[in-house]
Amino acid sequence: DGGITQSPKYLFRKEGQNVTLSCEQNLNHDAMYWYRQDPGQGLRLIYYSQIVNDFQKGDIAEGYSVSREKKESFPLTVTSAQKNPTAFYLCASSPEWDRNYGYTFGSGTRLTVV
Amino acid sequence: AQKITQTQPGMFVQEKEAVTLDCTYDTSDPSYGLFWYKQPSSGEMIFLIYQGSYDQQNATEGRYSLNFQKARKSANLVISASQLGDSAMYFCAMREFVYSGGGADGLTFGKGTHLIIQP
Repeated sequence: DGGITQSPKYLFRKEGQNVTLSCEQNLNHDAMYWYRQDPGQGLRLIYYSQIVNDFQKGDIAEGYSVSREKKESFPLTVTSAQKNPTAFYLCASSPEWDRNYGYTFGSGTRLTVV
Repeated sequence: AQKITQTQPGMFVQEKEAVTLDCTYDTSDPSYGLFWYKQPSSGEMIFLIYQGSYDQQNATEGRYSLNFQKARKSANLVISASQLGDSAMYFCAMREFVYSGGGADGLTFGKGTHLIIQP
C-alpha cells in the first residue's frame, strides 16, 4: 500500500543536540512538506519541497533544516538553535500537478526535549 | 490577520445528531481550495472533503458535506448522523493557487475544533 512513513514515532532529545526526523513516501508525489503542531495552535509550515534538490522555507523555518536528495525522502533536522522544539511533527506529500489534491500525511513524530 | 478561523474550540454533541463545524477564511486570491481534515487521538491527519473556489455545487463525501458560502467566505463542515467514532480534532485548511502569501506553497490550517460525540 502506498503511503508516508515517519520515524521514529517518539523521540527524546537532550538540550543542545541535533536530531533528524525521517519521512519516506512511496506515492510518487513531487511535493513534500513538514508541519509542526503545538496544542491549540493548529499546524504550521516549516519547510516544503516541490522537486528534488530544491526546498523552500515555510512560516517557522528558524532552527530547522531539510534535504531532498531523493524524491521519496524529505528528512527534517531539528537543530540546537531551535529554542522550543518539543512538539508533534507531521510530514505530508501531494502531487504537484493536482492542486485540488488533499495532502497525504504521515502518522507523525512526537519530539520531547529532556 | 488569520487566514483560517475556526471559532469553536470544542463541541459536545449527542450521538446521531447532525454537527456543523464552522470555518471562515480570508483571501484575495480568486482561485483557492478549501479542505477539511480529521485528526483522531492517534495523531494522523485524515482528509475528509475538498471544495474549489469555482465549484458551483457544495462538496459531499458520504456523511460529510461542505456548506460553501463564497460571498461570506465561509466553508462549514456538516456531519450527518454523528457516530462515536467521529470524536476527534477537525481542521479547516486553505490552499491559495495564485497568491501564496509569503511565498509558502502549502496548506494554511485553522486552530481546529475538538468534537466529542456523547452516547
